[in-house]
Amino acid sequence: GIQVEQSPPDLILQEGANSTLRCNFSDSVNNLQWFHQNPWGQLINLFYIPSGTKQNGRLSATTVATERYSLLYISSSQTTDSGVYFCAVEQDSGAGSYQLTFGKGTKLSVIP
Amino acid sequence: EAQVTQNPRYLITVTGKKLTVTCSQNMNHEYMSWYRQDPGLGLRQIYYSMNVEVTDKGDVPEGYKVSRKEKRNFPLILESPSPNQTSLYFCASSLFRDRGIGEQFFGPGTRLTVL
Repeated sequence: GIQVEQSPPDLILQEGANSTLRCNFSDSVNNLQWFHQNPWGQLINLFYIPSGTKQNGRLSATTVATERYSLLYISSSQTTDSGVYFCAVEQDSGAGSYQLTFGKGTKLSVIP
Repeated sequence: EAQVTQNPRYLITVTGKKLTVTCSQNMNHEYMSWYRQDPGLGLRQIYYSMNVEVTDKGDVPEGYKVSRKEKRNFPLILESPSPNQTSLYFCASSLFRDRGIGEQFFGPGTRLTVL
């Protein structure tokens, strides 16, 4: 099956700093999604981004499908950004695999 | 309010005692899925359903069953739970996009402990 690797595994930032999280995947994908899991365990969809660039406030994401990676940018980080960030992909098996494979996540801690 | 609900949120049980975790969504989504989350392993897909009466195995289906008799409900059944099924379980749902699964909406999670 497809492999999804996220880096770095852990990241500590001072409030106000910027960061870039990376997601590499081993095969062609139908779609790619970024999620944030807050410290209380809730999972929120941040981006559905099979290719191209999207922005939502201080967050933006870019997927370069031909090179099999995606980047999540967090600017002017706030303590509420803390948590774990996951990327997940659906492998392109021609007819739609309907399976979502997650990376192991990047744990972000933003300190005041 | 558009949401995915799961019940119970917390459950402690004993080995071998059958249990069901319910999942319901009110967004008319075709696709529903169950995941388990374990420390260091991320989220892994257990089962998914493309529509009513259409289900398929994910990466870790052993020891679980599902059913999709109605579009809104997708219960997860553990017929004989074992301690290695102690985990945090998430249900999710989505529409389909042009190319596969759409944006996943997650329930609040169910923390299961099997003694």
